[in-house]
Order: sequence, then C-alpha cells, then structure tokens
Amino acid sequence: DAGVIQSPRHEVTEMGQEVTLRCKPISGHDYLFWYRQTMMRGLELLIYFNNNVPIDDSGMPEDRFSAKMPNASFSTLKIQPSEPRDSAVYFCASTGRVNQPQHFGDGTRLSIL
Amino acid sequence: AQTVTQSQPEMSVQEAETVTLSCTYDTSENNYYLFWYKQPPSRQMILVIRQEAYKQQNATENRFSVNFQKAAKSFSLKISDSQLGDTAMYFCAFMKRYAGNMLTFGGGTRLMVKP
Repeated sequence: DAGVIQSPRHEVTEMGQEVTLRCKPISGHDYLFWYRQTMMRGLELLIYFNNNVPIDDSGMPEDRFSAKMPNASFSTLKIQPSEPRDSAVYFCASTGRVNQPQHFGDGTRLSIL
Repeated sequence: AQTVTQSQPEMSVQEAETVTLSCTYDTSENNYYLFWYKQPPSRQMILVIRQEAYKQQNATENRFSVNFQKAAKSFSLKISDSQLGDTAMYFCAFMKRYAGNMLTFGGGTRLMVKP
C-alpha cells in the first residue's frame, strides 16, 4: 500500500513568493494533519481535517497560512507571502479510524531565502 | 491540555547494548494512548510502538519495549541489542481517546548508536 505522499520533497524560494505544499493521504483515511518541525519549536500541529472538513486550525501561525482539502485524496498547505521564518520541514499525516496512530509522509523541507 | 516531556536531549549507546529513553506526560485524562516515533536522518516519522492506557501489560515490538507507569505518568522506551540503524530522533507522543486522533509530541531525544 502507498503511504502518505507529499510533494515537493524540497522547496527553495525567495521571500514574498507563494508556496504550495501538497499531500495525498493513505486511501481510506479520513483524518489528515499538517505539522511544522523546527529545531526551536519541535513538532507543531498546524491544522487537521476530518472528512475533508477543517476541525482545528488553532495552530496555524498567521493569516499568511491557509490549508484546504478539496477531496478525500488531496490537501494543500499554502503560504502567501512567504517569509524566512517559515523555513522548516512540513509534514502531512493521516489516520483512518478513531484512536489509531498517524502515518506520516516524508515531509517537505522548505527554505525561504 | 496535555504536555509531554522528554528530559534527555541526547543519548548515546554502544552497539549491542541496551538503552532506555525517558518520557513523562501530564494529563487529567484516564483514557488515552501513548506512542514512540522514530525519525532517522532520512527524516521519515516511523511508528515504533503503541500503548493503550487501559492495558496494564507493557507493549513490546521485537527489540523495543516500554515501561508504562500510569500512576507516575511515565512511559519509557527500552531498546535492546542496539543497532546502528537505531540512530535517530525519538519522539514520545500522547493521544487522548476519542479526541480527533490529535497527537501531542515531546521535544525528542537524539540517540546515537556507536560501533
């Protein structure tokens, strides 16, 4: 079975540019999570969806960040405009049933110059 | 709100030896789950082991086992016969039961296995 698929694996862009990170959850999973990992703050939950509906976005740092899940097999995390402090590894994770562990994608390493 | 604390930022162990990573958590919940995830240099987050709080028996997965002390709110990971491939960051995580499958992570412990 394919795992959680994230793209791109690496992204380098200049500040002020729009960045879009993509995630395909495991087929049949109806919970999807976006995390940010930095040395200073560790792993932070940004937002999560259940059945394509955002349930908790309290971790989204600013209005520059937005996330969508237009269907059960695709989600995006967008940063516009990007800033150097947004540089981090962004993970997507999914899980299929209540009380089950999350399965993570390989992450996107984002560098904002 | 729950908090998870990993008090050992870094540890090292000789190959084939045993090492124990510590994790404590704070919660007022009675029903929850605890996990250990491994993040090797490749950056993947890999589930190592899982423990249900309502089970008294400690979980075991091959060379990995936990010591779950519910009253003390402690959840340590023991790695036996350490291998070079065990070199990674290890994260302890808490999940409240029936709460959207959200995880609260500790800050991580960097484990180096030396040949």
